[in-house]
Amino acid sequence: GEDVEQSLFLSVREGDSSVINCTYTDSSSTYLYWYKQEPGAGLQLLTYIFSNMDMKQDQRLTVLLNKKDKHLSLRIADTQTGDSAIYFCAEILYNTDKLIFGTGTRLQVFP
Amino acid sequence: EAEVAQSPRYKITEKSQAVAFWCDPISGHATLYWYRQILGQGPELLVQFQDESVVDDSQLPKDRFSAERLKGVDSTLKIQPAELGDSAMYLCASSLAGLGTEAFFGQGTRLTVV
Repeated sequence: GEDVEQSLFLSVREGDSSVINCTYTDSSSTYLYWYKQEPGAGLQLLTYIFSNMDMKQDQRLTVLLNKKDKHLSLRIADTQTGDSAIYFCAEILYNTDKLIFGTGTRLQVFP
Repeated sequence: EAEVAQSPRYKITEKSQAVAFWCDPISGHATLYWYRQILGQGPELLVQFQDESVVDDSQLPKDRFSAERLKGVDSTLKIQPAELGDSAMYLCASSLAGLGTEAFFGQGTRLTVV
């Protein structure tokens, strides 16, 4: 099937690290993405990782990829209240431009 | 900064009526996507265009939904007749095409069917 799975909810204290997990479906997916959606808004691309990489770091964001387990994670260091949003992982299915999204994880940051 | 434009932002319609959404992608983007996002869920791909051609509409309920991109630029998504279960956010996105290129999203059209 084409179900990309994420945990529904994550709550963290401001200043702590957040880790959002995702299990994707296609072991041949070439690109995997993390998008952020704030209330009432469209989706904003945060970062992406190519399938031949294990890790990618971009300022406060670290993406880890475990191809064997088809597991993707997003770590946000020093989480701020402005990071409160829904985070979606997404994959490009092999040999297509078809972009499939996960169910989303709602991150709530409290002071 | 270039962006994907969608209209209207909000639409309320009665069930059994027809409704249409419009999307203007970023200039030069060959790939255009329409997604439906039901509250509390992830976006679900409805239809994908490459220029003016449909490359995937496997999840589009074709008995009531139609989409076109006649000149390979802007696109219209239509629902006729609308049903209560169609209430959702409809998101349009575009990309340059080619694997791995970033898909840029519009602000979406929030549809409420009453």
